[in-house]
Amino acid sequence: DAGVIQSPRHEVTEMGQEVTLRCKPISGHNSLFWYRQTMMRGLELLIYFNNNVPIDDSGMPEDRFSAKMPNASFSTLKIQPSEPRDSAVYFCASRHTRGAGEQYFGPGTRLTVT
Amino acid sequence: GEDVEQSLFLSVREGDSSVINCTYTDSSSTYLYWYKQEPGAGLQLLTYIFSNMDMKQDQRLTVLLNKKDKHLSLRIADTQTGDSAIYFCAESLRDGGATNKLIFGTGTLLAVQP
Repeated sequence: DAGVIQSPRHEVTEMGQEVTLRCKPISGHNSLFWYRQTMMRGLELLIYFNNNVPIDDSGMPEDRFSAKMPNASFSTLKIQPSEPRDSAVYFCASRHTRGAGEQYFGPGTRLTVT
Repeated sequence: GEDVEQSLFLSVREGDSSVINCTYTDSSSTYLYWYKQEPGAGLQLLTYIFSNMDMKQDQRLTVLLNKKDKHLSLRIADTQTGDSAIYFCAESLRDGGATNKLIFGTGTLLAVQP
């Protein structure tokens, strides 16, 4: 199994630009989670989906952030417009609703907004 | 409220045992987890324990759970330099639906001295 796949691995962009982060969950998993990790705030849950439906987006910082999951094998997290304070590592994780609830993380996208 | 606490830093010598501690708040958590994060990588699931268990052993890893005190620990026997990483504990929360959210601690940086 390839695990959770995220792209790009690194993104450097200028303030005001649109950023799109991509995630492919593990095949057969039906829940997907987006997290943000920073030194100051640690690991924060932004939004999660169950069977492609957004369940809880209360962690999304503001309206500049949006996430979609058009099908079971693909999700995007978009920031528009980006700001320097959005600089962080963004992780995607997936899990199957059966089992012990364990989540499997992708390698992350390191975003730098200048 | 939801809060998982860990000490920030632990230093041990190679070959010694490491014990990383965690306290959690939700007594209804069904599973508790330990994740490892190496520099520049995502979170890797190490092990998990069901809430009706007191102990789980997996090779060099031993997890102890004290439900009364809401205390979880991870013991690493014969610690190696490759064990140097940040270790996160996490508790599962039911949100009324089929998907469990995970609440992560702040992470403990384990430094193994040769």
